[in-house]
Amino acid sequence: DAGVTQSPTHLIKTRGQQVTLRCSPKSGHDTVSWYQQALGQGPQFIFQYYEEEERQRGNFPDRFSGHQFPNYSSELNVNALLLGDSALYLCASSITVNTEAFFGQGTRLTVV
Amino acid sequence: AQSVAQPEDQVNVAEGNPLTVKCTYSVSGNPYLFWYVQYPNRGLQFLLKYITGDNLVKGSYGFEAEFNKSQTSFHLKKPSALVSDSALYFCAVRDMNSGAGSYQLTFGKGTKLSVIP
Repeated sequence: DAGVTQSPTHLIKTRGQQVTLRCSPKSGHDTVSWYQQALGQGPQFIFQYYEEEERQRGNFPDRFSGHQFPNYSSELNVNALLLGDSALYLCASSITVNTEAFFGQGTRLTVV
Repeated sequence: AQSVAQPEDQVNVAEGNPLTVKCTYSVSGNPYLFWYVQYPNRGLQFLLKYITGDNLVKGSYGFEAEFNKSQTSFHLKKPSALVSDSALYFCAVRDMNSGAGSYQLTFGKGTKLSVIP
């Protein structure tokens, strides 16, 4: 079992550009959540996808959008990048309300 | 709204001594509580969870946590610390009453644990 896999592991973008991050959930998991972890902070919830729909959203602007595919994999898109978007982006997958979320190793995004 | 507080930015403990990493939470309903560990430049690894039942929860690598409803706390403990336990520890909460489709976790800011040889 490969667990939760994210790509790429590192990314450098210029302010104003757009970026797409990818996530494959743990085998058997159908729910994917995305988190942003700024340096020295705990992860902050961005949004959650289930059955290819955004089910819940945290306090993030519309520049952050996502998608879930029929195979449960997911993408996170960020438009009009700001310097403050530099962070570790974590994908987590889960299966039922009583189980823990499993996290990927994250994508380190640096905006210059 | 739900929130988590980890009052200590850093905890230092000598190898072989017991360790405690503190966590308090706030939710409107009943909590699901979790502890995760993060090593440098890595994602989060699940340690243990409290859903319901016994207030003392045992998890991975010898860690355990005690749920205290009256104090709204969920402190992480280990009887004998190892140097390899040195890492960043996060407490997280989810409101059990937040809806069947909600998996939103709210994390604390993290506590850096340093185990000194």
